[in-house]
Parts: sequence; structure tokens; C-alpha cells
Amino acid sequence: DTEVTQTPKHLVMGMTNKKSLKCEQHMGHRAMYWYKQKAKKPPELMFVYSYEKLSINESVPSRFSPECPNSSLLNLHLHALQPEDSALYLCASSLGQGAVGELFFGEGSRLTVL
Amino acid sequence: AQSVTQLGSHVSVSEGALVLLRCNYSSSVPPYLFWYVQYPNQGLQLLLKYTTGATLVKGINGFEAEFKKSETSFHLTKPSAHMSDAAEYFCAVTPNYGQNFVFGPGTRLSVLP
Repeated sequence: DTEVTQTPKHLVMGMTNKKSLKCEQHMGHRAMYWYKQKAKKPPELMFVYSYEKLSINESVPSRFSPECPNSSLLNLHLHALQPEDSALYLCASSLGQGAVGELFFGEGSRLTVL
Repeated sequence: AQSVTQLGSHVSVSEGALVLLRCNYSSSVPPYLFWYVQYPNQGLQLLLKYTTGATLVKGINGFEAEFKKSETSFHLTKPSAHMSDAAEYFCAVTPNYGQNFVFGPGTRLSVLP
């Protein structure tokens, strides 16, 4: 199984809503990532979890809250978002620190904030 | 610190022509280098990677890339373009402990009939 699964594929939310994006992998990877991608731009790193601990937070606003319940799951909790947060949110996984491997990406969750 | 540049935000080739997408990087430690492809409304898919060993690496869909340390380059080529190659291509670098991936700005490849 070489897949990263993201749900939902599409999400529309108002600025006062609370929602979550979910990501799952069963490749035994120990690093998991959230990226944000705007149209015609490269993915922009938001968070990295390594061995279920938050290891990188790229100064992301607190309205985005990551959570890694176990080594296979990664969530991104969304609250009080702004229209400029509309983007494709990509989850990825890799072997983990100290073991070089490529990023495996999910298909992404397309978020629209009204 | 690492960075990636990709010369040409948009490249157009005719079907059957050579594809050349350019990538240059800077890295303070030995880099690992990757090319990813992204089709509309999809995630990124790995085309190929360089970690150690042979500097000419072959990937999926007939693509290959050559790591040239002296030129700090990792250009992507394909001898004969196919319509299905039309997509966005990203070059990425990570240091040899493999967690801080940095992506280039991307090159959109169009294939003309």
C-alpha cells in the first residue's frame, strides 16, 4: 500500500465554522506533513510531524491547528479561517528523520472559505 | 539553507519533440534531489530522485535527469514528448537527512499537437 488518503476532497466553509482535514497512510512512515498550495504556486510547508511530535511549524497562524493522533493519522483543524486561506491542502509522508526518502502526497483537500 | 530555481515558468514543445526542464539548486550540505509532476486538481507524483550513486537517474514515463554537482543542476529530460506529459513539474531538494524539502517555483509544460 503506497497511498496517502485525504478526506474530504472538497470543503466549503464560512469564516465562523470549525472543520477538520484528515490524512492517513499505512506505509509505516514516521514523518507526516501538511502543505498549502495556491494556484500556479509550489507547495508551501506548514507543519511537519516526526515520530508523532511536531518538529516544524512554519509560523502558521493559530487558526490552523495540526494534530497527529498516531503514526498513521494526521489532522488539520480549521477555525475562523479567512478567504485568503482558500487553497489546496496537501498531506504527505516520508520515511522519517535520519532515513532519506521521497515525499508521498495525497490527492489534496480543496478548501474554499466564503 | 537550500533553494531551487527553475528556469522558465512555462515551456511549450511539440508532440514528439525533446523535453528539457531546467532545475538549479543551492545547498550547504549534500543534497537529495527530486522531480515531481502535478496534473490539474491532483497531488504531486514522484517522477524520479537522486540520492547517491549514479548521477543519471531514470524515472517513470520515460523521464530522466542528470545530477551535475559542478553546475548545481538537475535538469529533467524526455526524448519524445507525449500529449499526456502536459502538467506542472516541480524540482525539489532536501538535505541528506531528508526532512526539509524545498520546492522550486514549478514549470508548466504544454505539449502542442
